Amino acid sequence: KAGVTQTPRYLIKTRGQQVTLSCSPISGHRSVSWYQQTPGQGLQFLFEYFSETQRNKGNFPGRFSGRQFSNSRSEMNVSTLELGDSALYLCASSSGQGDVNEQFFGPGTRLTVL
Amino acid sequence: AQSVAQPEDQVNVAEGNPLTVKCTYSVSGNPYLFWYVQYPNRGLQFLLKYITGDNLVKGSYGFEAEFNKSQTSFHLKKPSALVSDSALYFCAVRASGSARQLTFGSGTQLTVLP
Repeated sequence: KAGVTQTPRYLIKTRGQQVTLSCSPISGHRSVSWYQQTPGQGLQFLFEYFSETQRNKGNFPGRFSGRQFSNSRSEMNVSTLELGDSALYLCASSSGQGDVNEQFFGPGTRLTVL
Repeated sequence: AQSVAQPEDQVNVAEGNPLTVKCTYSVSGNPYLFWYVQYPNRGLQFLLKYITGDNLVKGSYGFEAEFNKSQTSFHLKKPSALVSDSALYFCAVRASGSARQLTFGSGTQLTVLP
């Protein structure tokens, strides 16, 4: 099976702009989670989608939003970008059913906000 | 709330020697524990997980981890380190039955010296 794919791999934006990141999960996986990775804060959970519904949400401001489509692909949007949003954004997929399935991560999108 | 501590930012070990990367956790209820590895400019790769059962869990690439409930620890081990094991290692936890987001430790940079 193909792994989790994320596009684009790199993005450069300026403050105040908005950005959309895309994630395609492993075929058959219905759960997609998003994480932000920064040197200072480490890996932090943003949100999880399952069957087009947000199932869990981390402690991030409303500028961070997401959605999931019927084919399980997910997008994450950040509006009014701030310098502190510069990070590696990781997407992870799992089957989403049952309680113990590990998550499989994509390579990430490196966002730089200038 | 759940949390993970990786007390060592950096671990150095000679090739061929055994390695240990430490992890302690705090969670309400039974824990699900995971180890992931991250290579430069890559996403996280799943190594192993503890759900229930045997306290010694075997995973990918010769890694294993020992679950110790009384010490709330889940240390990652390998009997003989390889230079190619050099990477950033993350321990993660979630409570059984809870929301599926993972809480990650701050990571431990493992360097295996030739």
